[in-house]
Amino acid sequence: GIQVEQSPPDLILQEGANSTLRCNFSDSVNNLQWFHQNPWGQLINLFYIPSGTKQNGRLSATTVATERYSLLYISSSQTTDSGVYFCAVELVFGKGTKLTVNP
Amino acid sequence: GAGVSQTPSNKVTEKGKYVELRCDPISGHTALYWYRQSLGQGPEFLIYFQGTGAADDSGLPNDRFFAVRPEGSVSTLKIQRTERGDSAVYLCASSWGGLTEAFFGQGTRLTVV
Repeated sequence: GIQVEQSPPDLILQEGANSTLRCNFSDSVNNLQWFHQNPWGQLINLFYIPSGTKQNGRLSATTVATERYSLLYISSSQTTDSGVYFCAVELVFGKGTKLTVNP
Repeated sequence: GAGVSQTPSNKVTEKGKYVELRCDPISGHTALYWYRQSLGQGPEFLIYFQGTGAADDSGLPNDRFFAVRPEGSVSTLKIQRTERGDSAVYLCASSWGGLTEAFFGQGTRLTVV
């Protein structure tokens, strides 16, 4: 089956900093999503992005399907951005990146 | 409904008992998925329904786990003879079609004591 690897596993930032989270996958993709899991466990949809680039406020994502990776960019991070970010490829989840944003 | 709804939100059961977990998908979504998430891990796929039928049940860990979706809407995940290792958060998601953008419910936290 498809393999999904996320990096880094943990990331600690000061409020206002920018960050890039990476998702590598092992096979061609028709479905790729980025989620934010908040402290209450709810998975919140960030992007549905099997290819191309999308932006939503301070967040943006790029998927390069031919090179089998996707990037999630967070700019001007806020404490409310803390949580775990998951990439899911063909609905197979990576292990996530735990982001902590300190005030 | 407005979102995916899962009930109960919490369930504590004794080892060996039978449990049922319910998922109400977003109205009109034909695809429904069950996942299990242990502490500190990513969600682990269990089963995927397209309409009433299980399109992929390869993630069910053993024959104690079974899921149904008799009318193509609500789904029930059934676990027989529960074990302590079954303790986890069980997540349900739905989408318009197979492997399109999926939306998750808030999960059911199952604790087997």
